[in-house]
Amino acid sequence: DAGVIQSPRHEVTEMGQEVTLRCKPISGHNSLFWYRQTMMRGLELLIYFNNNVPIDDSGMPEDRFSAKMPNASFSTLKIQPSEPRDSAVYFCASTISGPNSGNTIYFGEGSWLTVV
Amino acid sequence: AQSVTQLGSHVSVSEGALVLLRCNYSSSVPPYLFWYVQYPNQGLQLLLKYTTGATLVKGINGFEAEFKKSETSFHLTKPSAHMSDAAEYFCAVTTLGNTDKLIFGTGTRLQVFP
Repeated sequence: DAGVIQSPRHEVTEMGQEVTLRCKPISGHNSLFWYRQTMMRGLELLIYFNNNVPIDDSGMPEDRFSAKMPNASFSTLKIQPSEPRDSAVYFCASTISGPNSGNTIYFGEGSWLTVV
Repeated sequence: AQSVTQLGSHVSVSEGALVLLRCNYSSSVPPYLFWYVQYPNQGLQLLLKYTTGATLVKGINGFEAEFKKSETSFHLTKPSAHMSDAAEYFCAVTTLGNTDKLIFGTGTRLQVFP
């Protein structure tokens, strides 16, 4: 079975450019997460969707970041304009959500972003 | 709010030695606890989890962890380290009623020496 699929795997961009990261969750999963991983801050939850609706975006760093989930099989994380401090690995993850579930959250292999 | 603390950002062991990675949690309600492993340049993979029931949980690759409510701990162990265990390990917590929002610890990098 295909896992969580992210693209691009690697991106190098210049400061000020727009960056769009893409994610396809596991089929049948109804919750999707975007995490950011850096050496300094570790793994941070940026935003969390349930049934395509953003539930918690308190981790989104600032207005330059936006995320969408137009349907159950696709999500984007956009950074505009990008800055060097946005350089990080961005992970998308998904799970089957339900009350009391404690279900496993599955991670993609990450998008490695470098802003120069 | 829930949180986890991983004691020791780096742990080094010899091949064949016991592996012990420490995790303490903070939660005002019963927690669900997870250990994930991250190999270099890869995403995170679930090792094991505790939700309810037996407090000693066995996972993949010979790892296990024990939920100890009195100590608010969920330490990860493996009796005999293998070179392939070298990776970063993350403890994470969610709670009943908020079971989808994983809060991660800062990670522990495990090195295994021959």
